[in-house]
Amino acid sequence: AQKVTQAQTEISVVEKEDVTLDCVYETRDTTYYLFWYKQPPSGELVFLIRRNSFDEQNEISGRYSWNFQKSTSSFNFTITASQVVDSAVYFCALSGGNNTDKLIFGTGTRLQVFP
Amino acid sequence: NAGVTQTPKFQVLKTGQSMTLQCAQDMNHNSMYWYRQDPGMGLRLIYYSASEGTTDKGEVPNGYNVSRLNKREFSLRLESAAPSQTSVYFCASARGWQGRNQPQHFGDGTRLSIL
Repeated sequence: AQKVTQAQTEISVVEKEDVTLDCVYETRDTTYYLFWYKQPPSGELVFLIRRNSFDEQNEISGRYSWNFQKSTSSFNFTITASQVVDSAVYFCALSGGNNTDKLIFGTGTRLQVFP
Repeated sequence: NAGVTQTPKFQVLKTGQSMTLQCAQDMNHNSMYWYRQDPGMGLRLIYYSASEGTTDKGEVPNGYNVSRLNKREFSLRLESAAPSQTSVYFCASARGWQGRNQPQHFGDGTRLSIL
């Protein structure tokens, strides 16, 4: 069975601090995909990144970076120099490689960035 | 740039009433999904449609039915609403090409309360 665990329910930081959101996954598929979505207070879900299981290179996009480690089944998300606008719930999700886009979501991490 | 459109945005029902949530996408996507989001539980898949003419159960299908009316539209029906179905409902779509596991695009959600 597939599972995604986001153990951090809520994180609070002060602006300009760096913060890492953890994501641990379980799957028996050899091909799979990992995603991060952001849900700001307005409620919509915004896609941030997709990674496939064959690409373990870290990715950086501005202040955002992702660390994918198959050895520990983790796909962690770091925000550098956090800003108030980063305040949101962040979801990690997993889909299998069996020709389906079905997503298994973690329970989310609520990040609050204070000025 | 409509993307995925859900109607209504808010609804209050009495126990036992029926209701259909509407979803339409204008991105020519093949796959469509219905999720529910409850506090502390992330998003859980109710039903999905991998392509026009097909529907399949997700993780929490009991109490719901779906119809893939055409490639654009995917509706979710509650035949006899129960308080346990109070939730925020999200519709999503994805390209759905075989083996691609493309990111899902989400609507803004429907906040449904069952009294």
